[in-house]
Amino acid sequence: DAKTTQPPSMDCAEGRAANLPCNHSTISGNEYVYWYRQIHSQGPQYIIHGLKNNETNEMASLIITEDRKSSTLILPHATLRDTAVYYCIVRPGGGTSYGKLTFGQGTILTVHP
Amino acid sequence: DGGITQSPKYLFRKEGQNVTLSCEQNLNHDAMYWYRQDPGQGLRLIYYSQIVNDFQKGDIAEGYSVSREKKESFPLTVTSAQKNPTAFYLCASSNQGGRYEQFFGPGTRLTVL
Repeated sequence: DAKTTQPPSMDCAEGRAANLPCNHSTISGNEYVYWYRQIHSQGPQYIIHGLKNNETNEMASLIITEDRKSSTLILPHATLRDTAVYYCIVRPGGGTSYGKLTFGQGTILTVHP
Repeated sequence: DGGITQSPKYLFRKEGQNVTLSCEQNLNHDAMYWYRQDPGQGLRLIYYSQIVNDFQKGDIAEGYSVSREKKESFPLTVTSAQKNPTAFYLCASSNQGGRYEQFFGPGTRLTVL
């Protein structure tokens, strides 16, 4: 499985955009990039995922570089409730490991008033 | 409401005792997963099941056992062979297909005294 590298922590002011980077330089062609977040002492929550193209939903935007070696999760208008650990995950594309997710340590995002 | 339930939220056991953690889902998902999380760490996969009566070991299966007799249930037994069982345990489920989003339960915090 491809490994991901994220900064251990980031800060953001409330109302500003939060841009969370992720490196996945060993990603293979059929692997997807997933983002989850975990608010303290709760189960993780799916945010967004993508393969090649940029994606947007009601929660966030995902920007994947053309060479697919890195991506950025964007929370356009961060609120205090967005304070959480954000995990960037590469999901294997098939076989018996289909559906498995490997969580790293993630990025602790703290949104300040 | 559809979702995943885990019970109990907090569980205390004496060292040397086996303990079974409950996980039930009414999302009609085929796949279910068990993760372990230690303080300040990411999630690690213990076992997963993609279909009833079948399951595979994850990255840290030693000292744990599971069963999948019904589609909606995937109980995890923490045996006395698990050397450091105190942790936060999370159950998840997903559909095979679509965006493969994993839905997580609220977790069980197990403390072995």
